[in-house]
Amino acid sequence: DQQVKQNSPSLSVQEGRISILNCDYTNSMFDYFLWYKKYPAEGPTFLISISSIKDKNEDGRFTVFLNKSAKHLSLHIVPSQPGDSAVYFCAASADSNYQLIWGAGTKLIIKP
Amino acid sequence: DTGVSQDPRHKITKRGQNVTFRCDPISEHNRLYWYRQTLGQGPEFLTYFQNEAQLEKSRLLSDRFSAERPKGSFSTLEIQRTEQGDSAMYLCASSVTGDSTEAFFGQGTRLTVV
Repeated sequence: DQQVKQNSPSLSVQEGRISILNCDYTNSMFDYFLWYKKYPAEGPTFLISISSIKDKNEDGRFTVFLNKSAKHLSLHIVPSQPGDSAVYFCAASADSNYQLIWGAGTKLIIKP
Repeated sequence: DTGVSQDPRHKITKRGQNVTFRCDPISEHNRLYWYRQTLGQGPEFLTYFQNEAQLEKSRLLSDRFSAERPKGSFSTLEIQRTEQGDSAMYLCASSVTGDSTEAFFGQGTRLTVV
């Protein structure tokens, strides 16, 4: 049973436009959500997070939106840059638990 | 470099052999995690240490797997009698105790069992 789902395996966006990556979850106990970025041959690197008490968190070009009623979160990147091309993982945890449950990732390709 | 380091980066082994991986976390981090990632999937939790104590093990961690963190610093993950299904990227991460579960990952050890 996949508790965290990223239904788009890949996404292609023009440089300078907005990239929107989506993530759905099923476990209502999740209270903390994170986005990680991963380049080939490297480990995931933390990008941005959001607590369930918020519905939006912004950090520079990156904004994460959380819709608890829909059990859906999204990552917006604007403007998209070539260096943003990577695999993006959504992850979640419950009750400040240490254990992260991860989605399968979305490969973002920024076209020049 | 003060990030999480893992050794080796790549390991090819024959089925049935034992392998051991090492992880050196960020020095002030008291939490250490092991994850496994297979192609096309996100990382899957294997086990977790708070200092030297192993507090949680996933059902994925069969009796062929053992992890240690002596003295609460570096950690080792050993796989005995490797099987082809063990082929994966093994990721180590560390974090500090706190509400945030932001973890910093190493580059991983890619294991190939032939």
